[in-house]
Amino acid sequence: EKVMTQSPGTLSVSPGESATLSCRASESVSIKLAWYRQRPGQAPRLLIYDASTRATGIPARFSGSGSGTEFTLTINSLQSEDFAVYYCQQYNSWPLTFGGGTKVEIK
Amino acid sequence: QVQLVQSGAEVKKPGASVKVSCKASGYTFTNHDIDWVRQAPGQGPEWMGWMNPDSGNTASAQKFRGRLTMTRDTSITTAYMELSSLTSEDTAVYYCAKVAQPRGDNYFDPWGQGTLVIVSS
Repeated sequence: EKVMTQSPGTLSVSPGESATLSCRASESVSIKLAWYRQRPGQAPRLLIYDASTRATGIPARFSGSGSGTEFTLTINSLQSEDFAVYYCQQYNSWPLTFGGGTKVEIK
Repeated sequence: QVQLVQSGAEVKKPGASVKVSCKASGYTFTNHDIDWVRQAPGQGPEWMGWMNPDSGNTASAQKFRGRLTMTRDTSITTAYMELSSLTSEDTAVYYCAKVAQPRGDNYFDPWGQGTLVIVSS
């Protein structure tokens, strides 16, 4: 199975600043990569699919890039609701696999 | 709006089974696959399996084969996940999730609210 590794584990950022999150796949997943945000006590919410396409209703401050094994999620001008845990997920091959998450906390 | 509403929390003893329901609304139930994902405390999500609500076809991750059953009742637009032979390692929040695009790639939008399953003697 393809192992997804996210870094850093925790990112401390001030409101209004930007955050850059990384996700690495153990083998190429092409662009079959999604990003989710999970707030405490809530289900994950889809942010990005196909590595760089924003899901419906997701603001432009979220952007994704990458292909193959290296991916990045950038969040500009962090809002209060963005302090959460972010997960990447590959859907290139079975079994589907998720990363361990990056927690974005208030600095 | 598109919504998945799951059944309530469960407490089970080791060796028992649990069945979680997922009521879908706001879209054509048979057009979108439903997957099940679980999340142990403090961990990332773990994919369990997939079901085509139209055909009833399913596929599951290797570690769950033999004890995971996914079914549906199209008349009430509800999917079910049953996990048997529970151990303490099955303690987790269980989510159903709708595949975003009809017969599309398996990324999920939206997810159900989650069902906490606690396995304890």
